[in-house]
Amino acid sequence: GQNIDQPTEMTATEGAIVQINCTYQTSGFNGLFWYQQHAGEAPTFLSYNVLDGLEEKGRFSSFLSRSKGYSYLLLKELQMKDSASYLCAVSNAGNNRKLIWGLGTSLAVNP
Amino acid sequence: DTEVTQTPKHLVMGMTNKKSLKCEQHMGHRAMYWYKQKAKKPPELMFVYSYEKLSINESVPSRFSPECPNSSLLNLHLHALQPEDSALYLCASNWGANTGELFFGEGSRLTVL
Repeated sequence: GQNIDQPTEMTATEGAIVQINCTYQTSGFNGLFWYQQHAGEAPTFLSYNVLDGLEEKGRFSSFLSRSKGYSYLLLKELQMKDSASYLCAVSNAGNNRKLIWGLGTSLAVNP
Repeated sequence: DTEVTQTPKHLVMGMTNKKSLKCEQHMGHRAMYWYKQKAKKPPELMFVYSYEKLSINESVPSRFSPECPNSSLLNLHLHALQPEDSALYLCASNWGANTGELFFGEGSRLTVL
């Protein structure tokens, strides 16, 4: 089957660093996405990894290890506005390529 | 223009009503999607259009009927819905079916009474 696991909830303090993990088992692999979704709003794209390694984009970084079926999203210098749900999604391979979504990690940033 | 625009933002309808959700993008994207999202759940794929042709239907009940009049527009026609169909309906687009990042609209919040 196809499965993506990420923690349900996390809490962190303003100014700190938090790492949100995602493990996946899919039929083929064609890239991993991280999206941010604030309550009541649409998801917005954060990052895309298709090769192993770290992709850095400002305060956000994303890491991928294909051999381990593992990714993480690293958020630095946390701000209150980072309180949101973070969704890990994997694009599988083949003719019927589609995005497999994790259930999301709800991050609460406290002052 | 890097926006996906959805109308209406909110819709309340009875189970016997017929209504439509509309989506528009002018980024030249060739793939457009309808997703359904319930509270605290990830988006659930309903339909994918690629080059104006329906390429994926995720076994969605026929009371949901998609339409792609042209490469910039995507509609979702609703008829005889059930209360459990109440959800946030998200339209998205990108350059190719299930390739690359998705650009989402703000969604249409649907309540079926």
